[in-house]
Amino acid sequence: SQELEQSPQSLIVQEGKNLTINCTSSKTLYGLYWYKQKYGEGLIFLMMLQKGGEEKSHEKITAKLDEKKQQSSLHITASQPSHAGIYLCGAAEETSGSRLTFGEGTQLTVNP
Amino acid sequence: DTGVSQDPRHKITKRGQNVTFRCDPISEHNRLYWYRQTLGQGPEFLTYFQNEAQLEKSRLLSDRFSAERPKGSFSTLEIQRTEQGDSAMYLCASSVGGESYGYTFGSGTRLTVV
Repeated sequence: SQELEQSPQSLIVQEGKNLTINCTSSKTLYGLYWYKQKYGEGLIFLMMLQKGGEEKSHEKITAKLDEKKQQSSLHITASQPSHAGIYLCGAAEETSGSRLTFGEGTQLTVNP
Repeated sequence: DTGVSQDPRHKITKRGQNVTFRCDPISEHNRLYWYRQTLGQGPEFLTYFQNEAQLEKSRLLSDRFSAERPKGSFSTLEIQRTEQGDSAMYLCASSVGGESYGYTFGSGTRLTVV
């Protein structure tokens, strides 16, 4: 089965700083999803990547999928306290076709 | 459309009792998924439906767990004879088709078994 490893597990940054979260897969990624979760709440969809080399941006968040489709990064520019939360990457397995496998998440704290 | 709704938001139950959770997906979404999330972990897949058909179940879904989606709309997840290890957040998600179309998650039901 597919496994996803996220790094770092936790991150504390000062407001205004840039940061990067990585997600590495044990298998080729069919689809890679980034979600954000506030503690005790549901997951909020951020972005989905499918093609090798693909890059998407929304406001100050940019996600990339490498050419080999086994690693993705999420970059936040000029972080704000509103960016704080748990960031989760999820992968669709080609053979499964439906369910997502998630990494353990990265806990982000942004200090004002 | 207000997204995926889950009820209740919180449930505290005594060990050995049965509990049932409900999920109302986005109306035009034909796929519905259940996940379980424990503290500090990512969500783990439990089962999914396409319309009313349950197409896949995880090994995590023991015989104490049962899920239904009787008319291809809302779904229920029942846990019989709850154990303390069942304490977790139970998340429901829906999608309009396959993974290419994205998944919308509900706010979850937090279960505490005492």
